[in-house]
This record gives sequence, C-alpha cells and structure tokens, in this order.
Amino acid sequence: DAKTTQPNSMESNEEEPVHLPCNHSTISGTDYIHWYRQLPSQGPEYVIHGLTSNVNNRMASLAIAEDRKSSTLILHRATLRDAAVYYCILIYNQGGKLIFGQGTELSVKP
Amino acid sequence: NAGVTQTPKFQVLKTGQSMTLQCAQDMNHEYMSWYRQDPGMGLRLIHYSVGAGITDQGEVPNGYNVSRSTTEDFPLRLLSAAPSQTSVYFCASIPGGGYTEAFFGQGTRLTVV
Repeated sequence: DAKTTQPNSMESNEEEPVHLPCNHSTISGTDYIHWYRQLPSQGPEYVIHGLTSNVNNRMASLAIAEDRKSSTLILHRATLRDAAVYYCILIYNQGGKLIFGQGTELSVKP
Repeated sequence: NAGVTQTPKFQVLKTGQSMTLQCAQDMNHEYMSWYRQDPGMGLRLIHYSVGAGITDQGEVPNGYNVSRSTTEDFPLRLLSAAPSQTSVYFCASIPGGGYTEAFFGQGTRLTVV
C-alpha cells in the first residue's frame, strides 16, 4: 500500500489561506488522492479527492503535482472551525481500505 | 438515510470478556472497514471487507474477528478483551473504489479494565 507523508502540525491565522502539503512518492496510477479531516471526538469527515487534475469544492481545493507524487490541500480562508487533524490518504481504485498516516494538526489563530 | 451507524457509543469491559461492536450502513456500499485510534495517533486499519462474504486483515488484526454476511452489516468481535485494546473504534464504508468518498461512523469508545 502506498504511504503518505505530512507535516505533524501547521499554524494559520483566521481568514488567511492555508496550504497543507502531502507527499506520496510511491503512488500508483490507479490510486486516488483523498483528504479527510477529524475534529476532536468525531469520526473523520470527507474533504475532497482527485486523481490527476486539480479539484475544487465548497470546502477546499486540491492541487495535484503533474507527476502525482505530491498534492496540496488549500483552504482559501481558514476559520476557527477548520482547526482539526487533516489526513491525506491514497485509495486504490478497486479497493476500499484506507491507510492513514499521522496527519497534520492544523491550528487556527484568531 | 442514516449513513454509517455504530453501536454502542461507549463500552467498558473487563479483561477477558468478549463483545461485538456493531456497524451498519444503509447506503448499499460494497466496501466496509474497521479502524482503531489510540490517543494522539492516526487511525489504523483492523479488518476490511470488499463485499458480502469477503473479508481481509488490515494492519492490526490480532485479537479481532469480523464477518460480512450482509452488505449492510460489518460487526467487529473482540474474542478476549485486553487492556491494550482500549481505544476508539471507527467503522467506514465506501461505495466502491477510490473514485468516491468514504463515510465514517461516530465511533465507539472502548475501555478495557
């Protein structure tokens, strides 16, 4: 199973953009890149996913490197409610198991 | 549409007792999986299933059994609870493959004394 590497923690100021990086150098051609976040005492929550092209949704944007060995989750304007642990995960196209890394703990300062 | 439902939310067991954590989804998803999360750690995969009648081991399967007799249900059995199994357990389901999102239950907080 391909692994991901993320920084342990990051800080941001409220209403500023946040760029959360993820390295996945062993990604295969059929692995989708997923991002989830986990608020305290809750289950992980889906944020965004993509395969090759950059993706946008109401929560965030996902920028995928051309060689797909890294990606960046972009929160356009961080709010206090965005403080959470963010996980970058690779999911095989034909499989349903998720292998979590340590994730990045994002703190947002007012 | 309830999503992924886990029961119970909290449980205290004595060492050596057995119990079953329940997970049910009403979205007709093919893939289901179980994770444990220890304090300050990420989630680790225990067992997963790619469809009714098919299960496989994840990263930390020892001490746990699973079965998948229906698409909807994926129970996790602790055969003889140990203090090392004190953790928060999450169940997830995904329709099929990585092209769509996974859904998680709210978790079961298990304490083994």
